[in-house]
Amino acid sequence: GAVVSQHPSWVICKSGTSVKIECRSLDFQATTMFWYRQFPKQSLMLMATSNEGSKATYEQGVEKDKFLINHASLTLSTLTVTSAHPEDSSFYICSANPRGTNEKLFFGSGTQLSVL
Amino acid sequence: GNSVTQMEGPVTLSEEAFLTINCTYTATGYPSLFWYVQYPGEGLQLLLKATKADDKGSNKGFEATYRKETTSFHLEKGSVQVSDSAVYFCALSPVSGGSNYKLTFGKGTLLTVNP
Repeated sequence: GAVVSQHPSWVICKSGTSVKIECRSLDFQATTMFWYRQFPKQSLMLMATSNEGSKATYEQGVEKDKFLINHASLTLSTLTVTSAHPEDSSFYICSANPRGTNEKLFFGSGTQLSVL
Repeated sequence: GNSVTQMEGPVTLSEEAFLTINCTYTATGYPSLFWYVQYPGEGLQLLLKATKADDKGSNKGFEATYRKETTSFHLEKGSVQVSDSAVYFCALSPVSGGSNYKLTFGKGTLLTVNP
């Protein structure tokens, strides 16, 4: 089946540094990718919708200058957490819609970010 | 806004036991409803879905019926296996017809099945 690779699976960084998370669709082209965040014991919350070649659409309350999303190709979207702080520590998950359908959605295995 | 309330876990069962994971939702219009499963170390996978009221989604022995009158989409399986151990997420899309656009998720329920 379709595979979405998310990397890294976990990362620890110092406060004030930036962290980049990659989301790749390995065997299909993804016109749309989604980024979610999950705090402990909370729901996955949609952060932004990323369309190839255009600016991401952010959900209310998500700072676009802090969470930079780049969807430069049909197989890669990146999320950069800029100037990370301990409150950004969370589980980040990406998902991708194959080109031509909005009824299939494939998820990465997530990235656990811990900011010290 | 839309929301999904899911049974708190963790849930621990013995093999061949009956499973129910409750899920209720709040949404306007006619949402599509989903159950996703996440096995250890893997991404979420679609388990089943229902696109309109009274629809029953089923897959791998799991079933869930879209009940508009009770705004519920409870997940059931008659006889669980050790391999069913995973985290289960209930979700809705505000778009009818099965689209997974802008999913709203529940918190997830960890299921552990012991031999």
